Order: sequence, then structure tokens, then C-alpha cells
Amino acid sequence: EAQVTQNPRYLITVTGKKLTVTCSQNMNHEYMSWYRQDPGLGLRQIYYSMNVEVTDKGDVPEGYKVSRKEKRNFPLILESPSPNQTSLYFCASSSSGTAGYGYTFGSGTRLTVV
Amino acid sequence: TQLLEQSPQFLSIQEGENLTVYCNSSSVFSSLQWYRQEPGEGPVLLVTVVTGGEVKKLKRLTFQFGDARKDSSLHITAAQPGDTGLYLCAVWGSNYQLIWGAGTKLIIKP
Repeated sequence: EAQVTQNPRYLITVTGKKLTVTCSQNMNHEYMSWYRQDPGLGLRQIYYSMNVEVTDKGDVPEGYKVSRKEKRNFPLILESPSPNQTSLYFCASSSSGTAGYGYTFGSGTRLTVV
Repeated sequence: TQLLEQSPQFLSIQEGENLTVYCNSSSVFSSLQWYRQEPGEGPVLLVTVVTGGEVKKLKRLTFQFGDARKDSSLHITAAQPGDTGLYLCAVWGSNYQLIWGAGTKLIIKP
């Protein structure tokens, strides 16, 4: 089954404790992206990647890191999480970041930083 | 000002009724996507429309892309509780980033 797999689904952590949210897709998609979704603010892009070793900042990159060493994986790293990073996070992939192609989203990771 | 204006922002109707939601812009797009998102879940792509005037059907959902490719509509016939969700339209921007509308929150009451 074609899918984007995120882990973990839920995570509660403490301020300052480094964490990684994993994302993997099995569709050989070139383009991958991370979003956060907060009430009233909609989906905001954190980082995206056009291909292996190519990443770029989205609208809200501060406090996050990403890497794209393999085509299928695109982990999101929070080096020193803070309470304002409490949010619902989605990983998504697409054949291409251009017109005519849609996203496949993961099921989400609900992160709480206390 | 949002590039994509979705209306209405919120709609609550009874099961069996018909409804239409809109996604409007002053810009021209080469394609437009519609997604549905349920609470706590990732958005699911419903359709991509590409050609001006194009109509696509997905069971009881009918999607139309405006002739000038500036707007789109989603019509649901005989709405069911399973249609409840947040409906989002989106277009690819010039910088390889997807631009989202704010969404229409739809509730279908049994």
C-alpha cells in the first residue's frame, strides 16, 4: 500500500530534550515536506526537500532541522524543543513539487512539549 | 489577503441536503487540488483539476475548475455524516511550495 509513515503518533516530552520524528514514504517520491498545524493557523510548512541532499526552509523553520540522506526518509529534528512547538505535525510526499501533482500525507504526530 | 479564499468558512447542514463550497482567487493557476481532512488526521487528496471548465466527479462529490482557472467549486449531493470534515483547496506556488486556502469546516448532522 502506498503510504507515508510517521512515528511516533503521539509524543510528550520536556523542554530541551532533543527528539526526532521519523517519516518514510514507499512511493519513490522526489518531493517531501513537513507541516505543523495549529488551531486557527492552518497548515504551515516547516521544511521541504526537492530530492536527496536538497532541503529548503518553509514558512516556519526556526527551531527545526531536517535531513534527506535517502529518497524515502525525511526526519524532522527538534534539537531543543520548547512549549511553543507543541503542535500537530504532518509529513507529506509528492511525485513533484509542481502543478498537477498532489500530496500524500502521513497520519500525523501530536507533540506536546512541557 | 489570502491568495485562496474559501467560502463559507463553516457549514452545518442536515443529512441528505446538497451543498456547494468555493475556492476563489484573483490569480490564474495551472491546476488546483482539493483535500479533505478529518480531526487529528492528515489531509487526503480528493482531486486535482487541471483544465479550465473541467468537471470531475467522485461519487457524490462534483468538482469544477473555473473557465478562467481562477476559481473552483465542490458540490456534494445528498450529504452524509461521513462527509464531515475540513475541505481545503490548494495550488502550487512559483517557489515549489503549496499554497493552502483556510478551509471550509463542514458538519453533516444525522
